[in-house]
Amino acid sequence: QKEVEQDPGPLSVPEGAIVSLNCTYSNSAFQYFMWYRQYSRKGPELLMYTYSSGNKEDGRFTAQVDKSSKYISLFIRDSQPSDSATYLCAMSVGNYQLIWGAGTKLIIKP
Amino acid sequence: KAGVTQTPRYLIKTRGQQVTLSCSPISGHRSVSWYQQTPGQGLQFLFEYFSETQRNKGNFPGRFSGRQFSNSRSEMNVSTLELGDSALYLCASSLGRVGDTEAFFGQGTRLTVV
Repeated sequence: QKEVEQDPGPLSVPEGAIVSLNCTYSNSAFQYFMWYRQYSRKGPELLMYTYSSGNKEDGRFTAQVDKSSKYISLFIRDSQPSDSATYLCAMSVGNYQLIWGAGTKLIIKP
Repeated sequence: KAGVTQTPRYLIKTRGQQVTLSCSPISGHRSVSWYQQTPGQGLQFLFEYFSETQRNKGNFPGRFSGRQFSNSRSEMNVSTLELGDSALYLCASSLGRVGDTEAFFGQGTRLTVV
C-alpha cells in the first residue's frame, strides 16, 4: 500500500462546476500538505501549502486537511477550461523530502 | 523574481553514457531537491542539498549522484544510463527544509535514453 493514495482519474466536469480532489494517507506523522498543478510537459506549480489540520482559501481554491481521518482535499470553485491539468498532492514530515500522490487528471469541459 | 531554472530542457542519450543536469534555484534559496517523474512511478525523491551538504537521499542506485555549489546551484549526474532512466527530472528549491517551507519547481529536464 502506498503512503499517499490519489485517484488518477480522469475527472471530467463541466465549466463552472465545483471540483473536489482528494488524497488519503497512512502516515500520521505528516504535518505539511501541499497541492500542485502540473500542465503537460511542465513542472509542478505550487497552489496551496498548509500546515497541520484546517482550511486555507486562496481565490477559487480551498484546501482542507483532516488529520484525524488522514484525508486532504482541494476544492476549485467556478472551474475554467484553463484549470484542466493534473493535480498532485504532496506531504512531508519535515525531513527534507516530499511524498507524492499519483496525481488526478482533471478535464474541464467548456 | 526569476524562478527555478533547469538546463537543458531536453536530452537524448544512448545506453551506457552518462549525463549531467543543472539546476539554478530561486535567488536566496539554499535548499535544492531533485525528483524523477515517470508515468508508472509518479514523482520519486532522489536527493536534497542544503549549503552544499546532502541531507537526504531517496532509494535510487549509486549511479545517481548530485552536488551543490557555494552559489546554491546544483547538478545531478547519472552514469551508465539505462533505458529505464528515461524520465522527467525535476528540481525544486526552497528557503529552508523541504516540507516545512514551500518548494518551487523548475520546468524539468526530459531525458530520453535510447
